[in-house]
Amino acid sequence: QVQLQESGPGLVKSSETLSLTCTVSGGSISSSYWSWIRQPPGKGLEWIGFVSSSGFSNHNASLKSRVTMSVDTSKNQVSLKMKSVTAADTAVYFCARDEGAGYFDLWGQGTLVTVSS
Amino acid sequence: QSVLNQPPSASGTPGQRVIISCSGSNSNIGREAVNWYQHLPGTAPKLLIYNNDQRPSGVPDRFSGSKSATSASLAISGLRSEDEADYFCAQWSDSLNGYVFGTGTRVTVL
Repeated sequence: QVQLQESGPGLVKSSETLSLTCTVSGGSISSSYWSWIRQPPGKGLEWIGFVSSSGFSNHNASLKSRVTMSVDTSKNQVSLKMKSVTAADTAVYFCARDEGAGYFDLWGQGTLVTVSS
Repeated sequence: QSVLNQPPSASGTPGQRVIISCSGSNSNIGREAVNWYQHLPGTAPKLLIYNNDQRPSGVPDRFSGSKSATSASLAISGLRSEDEADYFCAQWSDSLNGYVFGTGTRVTVL
């Protein structure tokens, strides 16, 4: 049974870089698209971007060039880096799998990241 | 700001049928498949419906999806206490070159 687990610092200072890792267990990271999605407190879901197992990535244009995503196939991990964070980036961050069909069939339980001033 | 609009809340008593709408336009709902997710806060969101009306293995047939030109709907029949959760519609958008989510609906079982 494939499972996703997000990990990383729960507290990041304003203007610094948020770094999260999604570890895929019970299955391969290959042949899928791995997305990062976030949910600010009391708000809806926002897609951040995806990275494919081959390293191709695409991100939400609203986040401009603050986002970098990568895969480490040797560790079965997907990473997210978001620079110059502000309080508006405080959210629960999820990773999710799309096997190329346009929907997320598997999600992690999410990790809360708080940006402090 | 989401382009897919959902009512913020819906409710029903056990056994009732609840319908959640996801409203958009011909350029989004009308063009791409709609998917639905169930989310209990603190847990991993779960895929309920994909490609407008398909249920993944393991999802009860109490959950059903449909779509018209400008809106999609999720119906929950035989409402149960464990259905109390947040529900989101979502789809891939070619025009935005990314995924978009609905505003979300909290379902309460009275």
